Amino acid sequence: KNEVEQSPQNLTAQEGEFITINCSYSVGISALHWLQQHPGGGIVSLFMLSSGKKKHGRLIATINIQEKHSSLHITASHPRDSAVYICAVRNMDSNYQLIWGAGTKLIIKP
Amino acid sequence: DVKVTQSSRYLVKRTGEKVFLECVQDMDHENMFWYRQDPGLGLRLIYFSYDVKMKEKGDIPEGYSVSREKKERFSLILESASTNQTSMYLCASSYYEKLFFGSGTQLSVL
Repeated sequence: KNEVEQSPQNLTAQEGEFITINCSYSVGISALHWLQQHPGGGIVSLFMLSSGKKKHGRLIATINIQEKHSSLHITASHPRDSAVYICAVRNMDSNYQLIWGAGTKLIIKP
Repeated sequence: DVKVTQSSRYLVKRTGEKVFLECVQDMDHENMFWYRQDPGLGLRLIYFSYDVKMKEKGDIPEGYSVSREKKERFSLILESASTNQTSMYLCASSYYEKLFFGSGTQLSVL
């Protein structure tokens, strides 16, 4: 079993829909990252969370430390949100290494 | 804006060739990383460096080496390229918890 599991693996939705991507992990963590990767592009950091909730524009990230679960929400989704969304956790026992999820491929249709 | 620059976007090499992938960051970050990304898998750490001339093996160092002679430059070396090293290679630097990625090098080994 992977230490970081994302669901769904693939998600196709219509423009305007509310999107939720989930990340569950099995290790103790000091932080959780959400990142975005556009086709053929590099990876951009969206959020770093250690507790609670963060919001940036139409993106909202939440984390429940007790349940070892985080969600990334996109409100009023747009085709430009189409990308791979990646969750990564920083293991409490490691200062430098992250454990990466396999990513969720999101397609928003106009 | 922080910039992490990878020298090549696409690279095609022959089996047995020595391959150099270069990465330069412009923000004086101490930590730099090399990852490979394969379809369906999360990012896998090859090597990281937390200072000049310092390097640590990641999860999959076999077949690779690295060099960090200057703080801004972190090079990944494939001593004798093999077909199973065909992959997307991503360089990153970090400052505290904030990650910055290059746009990646898609390496094909024929």
